[in-house]
Amino acid sequence: DADVTQTPRNRITKTGKRIMLECSQTKGHDRMYWYRQDPGLGLRLIYYSFDVKDINKGEISDGYSVSRQAQAKFSLSLESAIPNQTALYFCATSEPGTANQPQHFGDGTRLSIL
Amino acid sequence: AQKITQTQPGMFVQEKEAVTLDCTYDTSDPSYGLFWYKQPSSGEMIFLIYQGSYDQQNATEGRYSLNFQKARKSANLVISASQLGDSAMYFCAMREGPVFGNEKLTFGTGTRLTIIP
Repeated sequence: DADVTQTPRNRITKTGKRIMLECSQTKGHDRMYWYRQDPGLGLRLIYYSFDVKDINKGEISDGYSVSRQAQAKFSLSLESAIPNQTALYFCATSEPGTANQPQHFGDGTRLSIL
Repeated sequence: AQKITQTQPGMFVQEKEAVTLDCTYDTSDPSYGLFWYKQPSSGEMIFLIYQGSYDQQNATEGRYSLNFQKARKSANLVISASQLGDSAMYFCAMREGPVFGNEKLTFGTGTRLTIIP
């Protein structure tokens, strides 16, 4: 089983719908992150959480919200989806305070807003 | 200003040749870390190599090495003896500040590498 699991893997929906992307991890990491990837723009940070009680906005948080339900679960919501939120979304985790340890990514959710 | 700059949107390299992917970064913090990730066409993000700002030697991991030039603020990825399976998107990323509490990363826009048989 994957260490970082994202559901769904693919989603097509309509403008104005509420959408939730879910992320769960078995790595036991405190830190969790949500990124979106757009062609030519790389990965941009949406929100991050350093523990269950700590949620922080990233570079592009407008139009998104998150919930850290437990150490292992971090959900991303689009309250009213719009077409320019069409992107590949990644969840990632990391250990706190370990310099050379990378972030570990899920396989991504491909989201299309029509 | 961009914190991570990857100036090569795409590269074509002959199989078995070495390839260098460029990455420059911008930070005023003396403590930082640089990461390279590979993203094959299947989409997953694969960690390749790490270089810390205080590391005295350039990082190496198998066929991957990092040409770290601190004064020039560059951290170029070198892949030796390229293989067809190296065809992918490559991202450079930076963590700024002391490690604890600063684990978030800033990514570059990526370089798409295509290996030609």
